[in-house]
Amino acid sequence: EEQLLESGGGLVQPGGSLRISCAASGFTFSNYAVGWVRQAPGKGLEWVSTISYDGDTTDYADSVKGRFTIFRDNSKDTLYLQMSNLGVDDTARYYCARAGCSGTCFRPPDYWGQGTLVTVSS
Amino acid sequence: QSALTQPASVSGSPGQSITISCTGTSSNVGNYELVSWYQHHPGKAPRVMIYEVTKRPSGVSDRFSGSKSGNTASLTISGLRAEDEADYHCCSFAGGRTWIFGGGTKLTVL
Repeated sequence: EEQLLESGGGLVQPGGSLRISCAASGFTFSNYAVGWVRQAPGKGLEWVSTISYDGDTTDYADSVKGRFTIFRDNSKDTLYLQMSNLGVDDTARYYCARAGCSGTCFRPPDYWGQGTLVTVSS
Repeated sequence: QSALTQPASVSGSPGQSITISCTGTSSNVGNYELVSWYQHHPGKAPRVMIYEVTKRPSGVSDRFSGSKSGNTASLTISGLRAEDEADYHCCSFAGGRTWIFGGGTKLTVL
């Protein structure tokens, strides 16, 4: 059974940094592009970033470009999001999601984790 | 780019049908047959109900169906049940390595 499990969320002060993780199981992680999607309180889902199956290509939403870095360790079946210079607008539940097909494919997600909550507040 | 446009809320009585729209542009919804719909209970993992505009994953009831016309995709739920009450989000491939989501629609079963 395909599973994604996020961790690492918490309370961070404005301007601070945080790294969140997503551990994959039940499928061949290295065959799939994956990404991060967030949901701020009372808002809809917002795409944050995606990374190719091999980690060679990435993309970011304009709202996080230059502040967030997505990377993966296929030997550990784990996806990461390094977040820096965090602002209150980054407060959200962050979900890890798998692209809807394998290989060089970025179709909308088919599997998601339950998310990890990041709160930016002083 | 701006989010896809969904109604904030819809409601229906048990047994009725409802349709949720998802309007984008020719750069996303209108340009690709790659629209998915998700059922989401906040704090839980979203569940894909429709992918590639009209396809249903195994295990999803045939009461759920999808369609698209131009820049607008739609999700129809027929024979509404209490357990259908949730938030529903649309998502389209938007080129390159990007996804774009709608603002979400809260479905209330009266």
